Amino acid sequence: DVKVTQSSRYLVKRTGEKVFLECVQDMDHENMFWYRQDPGLGLRLIYFSYDVKMKEKGDIPEGYSVSREKKERFSLILESASTNQTSMYLCASSGHRLNTEAFFGQGTRLTVV
Amino acid sequence: SQQGEEDPQALSIQEGENATMNCSYKTSINNLQWYRQNSGRGLVHLILIRSNEREKHSGRLRVTLDTSKKSSSLLITASRAADTASYFCAPDRSNDYKLSFGAGTTVTVRA
Repeated sequence: DVKVTQSSRYLVKRTGEKVFLECVQDMDHENMFWYRQDPGLGLRLIYFSYDVKMKEKGDIPEGYSVSREKKERFSLILESASTNQTSMYLCASSGHRLNTEAFFGQGTRLTVV
Repeated sequence: SQQGEEDPQALSIQEGENATMNCSYKTSINNLQWYRQNSGRGLVHLILIRSNEREKHSGRLRVTLDTSKKSSSLLITASRAADTASYFCAPDRSNDYKLSFGAGTTVTVRA
């Protein structure tokens, strides 16, 4: 069964902390994505990666960075967490072929206090 | 970015009724995908329709695509309580690997 696994389901961090959200996929997918989801705003794309060590900014990259050192792992980094980064974070992956679906992780609910 | 806009924002129907939601987008696409999200979980892919297709079925789901109007619709027939979820469309240009979503349509199926 295909899988995208996010390292934590729930996370509580303090303002100013450096936070790592990890995502691992076992489908040998080229593309990986990080989204945040807030009530009424839907899913907003933070960063995506189409290959190892490659990254592209999404629609709301400010305050975030990413790392893709290995094909199966895509990390989202909050350099200095702030309360407005409290959100549900979703990771997804997809293949390079045309007409390919994305698979999502279960989400990480991050609270910054 | 190429994201879809779903309409309506929310929909409440009786079990057994049909639910229809729409998606509009701005630029030309290669395909359009629909996803479902149950409360507090990740999205699950429902159906993909290519730009050269006009209609597609999958079980109780029917998707239409009108590229001239840049719109798509998702119909759920004979709804069940388990269909209660948020539904998102994702227009895919497939030339930049980006996959963007809108705010979704929240469907509530009443018993």
